[in-house]
Amino acid sequence: SQQGEEDPQALSIQEGENATMNCSYKTSINNLQWYRQNSGRGLVHLILIRSNEREKHSGRLRVTLDTSKKSSSLLITASRAADTASYFCATDPQETSGSRLTFGEGTQLTVNP
Amino acid sequence: EAQVTQNPRYLITVTGKKLTVTCSQNMNHEYMSWYRQDPGLGLRQIYYSMNVEVTDKGDVPEGYKVSRKEKRNFPLILESPSPNQTSLYFCASSLGGYNEKLFFGSGTQLSVL
Repeated sequence: SQQGEEDPQALSIQEGENATMNCSYKTSINNLQWYRQNSGRGLVHLILIRSNEREKHSGRLRVTLDTSKKSSSLLITASRAADTASYFCATDPQETSGSRLTFGEGTQLTVNP
Repeated sequence: EAQVTQNPRYLITVTGKKLTVTCSQNMNHEYMSWYRQDPGLGLRQIYYSMNVEVTDKGDVPEGYKVSRKEKRNFPLILESPSPNQTSLYFCASSLGGYNEKLFFGSGTQLSVL
Protein backbone atom coordinates (compact mmCIF):
# COMPACT_ATOMS: atom_id res chain seq x y z
CA SER A 1 0.00 0.00 0.00
CA GLN A 2 1.08 3.60 -0.45
CA GLN A 3 3.15 5.22 2.26
CA GLY A 4 1.22 8.45 2.01
CA GLU A 5 -2.55 8.53 1.87
CA GLU A 6 -4.47 11.72 1.27
CA ASP A 7 -7.83 12.51 2.77
CA PRO A 8 -10.38 13.35 1.54
CA GLN A 9 -10.19 11.77 -1.92
CA ALA A 10 -12.27 14.63 -3.28
CA LEU A 11 -13.18 18.08 -1.97
CA SER A 12 -15.50 20.65 -3.49
CA ILE A 13 -15.68 24.21 -2.13
CA GLN A 14 -16.70 27.70 -3.16
CA GLU A 15 -14.25 30.35 -4.23
CA GLY A 16 -12.97 32.30 -1.23
CA GLU A 17 -13.30 29.39 1.20
CA ASN A 18 -10.36 27.60 2.74
CA ALA A 19 -9.43 24.07 1.65
CA THR A 20 -7.75 21.58 3.95
CA MET A 21 -6.25 18.32 2.79
CA ASN A 22 -4.63 15.72 4.97
CA CYS A 23 -1.90 13.17 4.44
CA SER A 24 -1.18 10.20 6.68
CA TYR A 25 1.83 7.94 6.41
CA LYS A 26 2.98 4.75 8.04
CA THR A 27 6.70 4.89 8.77
CA SER A 28 9.11 7.56 9.97
CA ILE A 29 10.16 10.07 7.37
CA ASN A 30 12.99 12.46 6.62
CA ASN A 31 10.76 14.96 4.90
CA LEU A 32 7.37 15.35 3.27
CA GLN A 33 6.51 17.26 0.12
CA TRP A 34 3.27 18.49 -1.38
CA TYR A 35 2.69 18.66 -5.10
CA ARG A 36 -0.11 19.92 -7.30
CA GLN A 37 -1.26 18.41 -10.60
CA ASN A 38 -3.59 19.99 -13.09
CA SER A 39 -5.59 17.43 -15.02
CA GLY A 40 -3.25 15.10 -16.93
CA ARG A 41 -0.28 17.44 -16.58
CA GLY A 42 3.01 17.22 -14.74
CA LEU A 43 3.23 17.68 -11.00
CA VAL A 44 4.37 21.01 -9.61
CA HIS A 45 6.21 21.23 -6.32
CA LEU A 46 4.49 23.32 -3.63
CA ILE A 47 6.27 22.89 -0.31
CA LEU A 48 8.85 20.64 1.37
CA ILE A 49 8.72 20.26 5.14
CA ARG A 50 11.44 18.45 7.06
CA SER A 51 10.80 16.07 9.95
CA ASN A 52 12.12 18.60 12.48
CA GLU A 53 9.74 21.32 11.26
CA ARG A 54 6.15 21.71 12.40
CA GLU A 55 4.79 24.35 10.06
CA LYS A 56 5.70 26.13 6.82
CA HIS A 57 4.04 28.85 4.82
CA SER A 58 4.21 29.82 1.18
CA GLY A 59 1.84 32.51 0.01
CA ARG A 60 -1.70 31.19 0.55
CA LEU A 61 -0.40 27.74 1.46
CA ARG A 62 0.21 26.50 4.98
CA VAL A 63 1.60 23.04 5.66
CA THR A 64 1.79 21.39 9.06
CA LEU A 65 3.57 18.21 10.06
CA ASP A 66 2.85 16.11 13.14
CA THR A 67 5.41 13.33 13.29
CA SER A 68 3.86 11.83 16.43
CA LYS A 69 0.61 11.28 14.53
CA LYS A 70 2.40 10.60 11.24
CA SER A 71 0.28 13.14 9.45
CA SER A 72 0.49 16.37 7.52
CA SER A 73 -2.05 18.88 6.35
CA LEU A 74 -2.13 21.35 3.49
CA LEU A 75 -4.29 24.43 3.92
CA ILE A 76 -5.10 26.68 0.98
CA THR A 77 -6.62 29.94 2.14
CA ALA A 78 -8.96 32.15 0.13
CA SER A 79 -9.23 29.57 -2.63
CA ARG A 80 -9.61 30.51 -6.28
CA ALA A 81 -11.05 28.62 -9.23
CA ALA A 82 -7.47 28.29 -10.53
CA ASP A 83 -6.63 26.18 -7.45
CA THR A 84 -8.75 23.38 -8.92
CA ALA A 85 -6.31 20.46 -9.24
CA SER A 86 -5.18 17.24 -7.59
CA TYR A 87 -2.88 17.57 -4.60
CA PHE A 88 -0.40 14.89 -3.62
CA CYS A 89 1.79 14.34 -0.64
CA ALA A 90 5.11 12.57 -1.14
CA THR A 91 7.13 11.09 1.68
CA ASP A 92 10.79 10.28 2.01
CA PRO A 93 10.73 7.24 4.33
CA GLN A 94 13.73 6.76 6.58
CA GLU A 95 13.83 3.03 6.15
CA THR A 96 13.43 2.50 2.42
CA SER A 97 16.26 1.21 0.35
CA GLY A 98 16.88 3.03 -2.87
CA SER A 99 16.24 6.62 -3.70
CA ARG A 100 12.58 7.36 -4.08
CA LEU A 101 9.69 9.39 -2.87
CA THR A 102 6.44 7.60 -2.18
CA PHE A 103 3.37 9.38 -3.48
CA GLY A 104 -0.17 9.10 -2.25
CA GLU A 105 -3.15 8.89 -4.58
CA GLY A 106 -4.08 12.51 -4.18
CA THR A 107 -6.99 14.74 -3.22
CA GLN A 108 -9.02 16.15 -6.08
CA LEU A 109 -9.91 19.73 -5.18
CA THR A 110 -12.64 21.56 -7.07
CA VAL A 111 -13.11 25.26 -6.41
CA ASN A 112 -16.41 26.52 -7.77
CA PRO A 113 -16.58 30.14 -8.96
CA GLU B 1 13.29 28.65 -19.22
CA ALA B 2 14.15 25.88 -16.76
CA GLN B 3 12.21 22.80 -17.68
CA VAL B 4 11.93 19.07 -18.14
CA THR B 5 10.88 18.18 -21.67
CA GLN B 6 9.23 14.90 -22.54
CA ASN B 7 8.31 13.65 -25.96
CA PRO B 8 5.97 12.59 -27.32
CA ARG B 9 2.96 13.91 -25.40
CA TYR B 10 0.70 11.17 -26.73
CA LEU B 11 1.66 7.80 -28.17
CA ILE B 12 -0.46 4.92 -29.45
CA THR B 13 1.35 1.75 -30.38
CA VAL B 14 0.82 -1.98 -30.75
CA THR B 15 2.02 -4.83 -28.60
CA GLY B 16 5.67 -5.71 -29.19
CA LYS B 17 6.72 -2.63 -31.13
CA LYS B 18 9.74 -1.08 -29.44
CA LEU B 19 9.41 2.55 -28.44
CA THR B 20 11.39 5.25 -26.69
CA VAL B 21 10.07 8.17 -24.66
CA THR B 22 12.62 10.95 -24.45
CA CYS B 23 13.29 13.16 -21.44
CA SER B 24 15.63 16.12 -21.31
CA GLN B 25 16.31 18.72 -18.61
CA ASN B 26 18.18 22.00 -18.97
CA MET B 27 18.88 22.65 -15.29
CA ASN B 28 22.09 20.60 -14.90
CA HIS B 29 20.31 18.33 -12.45
CA GLU B 30 22.09 15.29 -11.07
CA TYR B 31 19.01 13.19 -10.33
CA MET B 32 16.44 12.02 -12.86
CA SER B 33 13.58 9.59 -12.52
CA TRP B 34 10.67 8.01 -14.38
CA TYR B 35 7.21 7.49 -12.89
CA ARG B 36 4.03 5.97 -14.16
CA GLN B 37 0.64 7.15 -12.96
CA ASP B 38 -2.37 4.84 -12.95
CA PRO B 39 -5.85 5.37 -11.48
CA GLY B 40 -6.07 4.00 -7.97
CA LEU B 41 -2.35 3.34 -7.79
CA GLY B 42 -0.90 6.83 -7.68
CA LEU B 43 2.60 7.52 -8.98
CA ARG B 44 5.04 4.64 -8.95
CA GLN B 45 8.72 4.94 -9.70
CA ILE B 46 10.09 2.91 -12.61
CA TYR B 47 13.81 3.78 -12.71
CA TYR B 48 16.01 6.52 -11.41
CA SER B 49 19.49 7.86 -12.00
CA MET B 50 21.73 9.61 -9.51
CA ASN B 51 24.24 10.71 -12.16
CA VAL B 52 25.65 9.93 -15.59
CA GLU B 53 26.03 6.18 -16.15
CA VAL B 54 24.37 5.45 -12.78
CA THR B 55 20.86 4.01 -12.94
CA ASP B 56 18.81 1.86 -10.59
CA LYS B 57 15.45 0.16 -10.38
CA GLY B 58 12.45 1.73 -8.75
CA ASP B 59 9.27 -0.01 -7.67
CA VAL B 60 8.03 -1.22 -11.07
CA PRO B 61 11.01 -1.69 -13.44
CA GLU B 62 9.82 -4.81 -15.28
CA GLY B 63 9.48 -4.28 -19.01
CA TYR B 64 11.41 -1.01 -19.04
CA LYS B 65 14.98 0.08 -19.73
CA VAL B 66 16.72 3.40 -19.25
CA SER B 67 20.08 4.91 -20.02
CA ARG B 68 21.96 7.98 -18.79
CA LYS B 69 24.78 8.62 -21.23
CA GLU B 70 24.55 12.40 -20.81
CA LYS B 71 23.55 14.40 -17.79
CA ARG B 72 20.62 16.11 -19.49
CA ASN B 73 18.94 13.08 -21.11
CA PHE B 74 17.20 10.09 -19.56
CA PRO B 75 15.20 8.13 -22.15
CA LEU B 76 12.71 5.43 -21.21
CA ILE B 77 12.74 2.39 -23.49
CA LEU B 78 10.01 -0.20 -23.83
CA GLU B 79 11.58 -3.05 -25.79
CA SER B 80 8.35 -5.02 -26.22
CA PRO B 81 5.39 -3.02 -24.96
CA SER B 82 2.35 -4.81 -23.60
CA PRO B 83 -1.17 -3.51 -22.86
CA ASN B 84 -0.47 -3.40 -19.10
CA GLN B 85 2.07 -0.66 -19.83
CA THR B 86 -0.71 1.63 -20.97
CA SER B 87 -0.30 4.53 -18.58
CA LEU B 88 0.61 8.18 -18.06
CA TYR B 89 4.39 8.52 -17.76
CA PHE B 90 6.33 11.32 -16.12
CA CYS B 91 9.98 12.18 -16.11
CA ALA B 92 11.30 14.22 -13.18
CA SER B 93 14.60 15.71 -12.13
CA SER B 94 16.14 17.42 -9.14
CA LEU B 95 19.38 19.16 -8.39
CA GLY B 96 20.74 16.87 -5.70
CA GLY B 97 18.55 13.89 -5.11
CA TYR B 98 15.13 12.30 -4.80
CA ASN B 99 14.39 13.99 -1.49
CA GLU B 100 14.67 17.48 -2.93
CA LYS B 101 12.19 19.44 -4.97
CA LEU B 102 11.35 17.48 -8.11
CA PHE B 103 10.68 19.15 -11.44
CA PHE B 104 8.28 17.15 -13.62
CA GLY B 105 7.80 16.95 -17.35
CA SER B 106 4.34 17.41 -18.87
CA GLY B 107 3.77 13.69 -19.23
CA THR B 108 3.42 11.09 -21.98
CA GLN B 109 0.10 9.31 -22.36
CA LEU B 110 0.92 5.88 -23.76
CA SER B 111 -1.66 3.44 -25.11
CA VAL B 112 -0.53 -0.06 -26.07
CA LEU B 113 -3.11 -1.93 -28.16
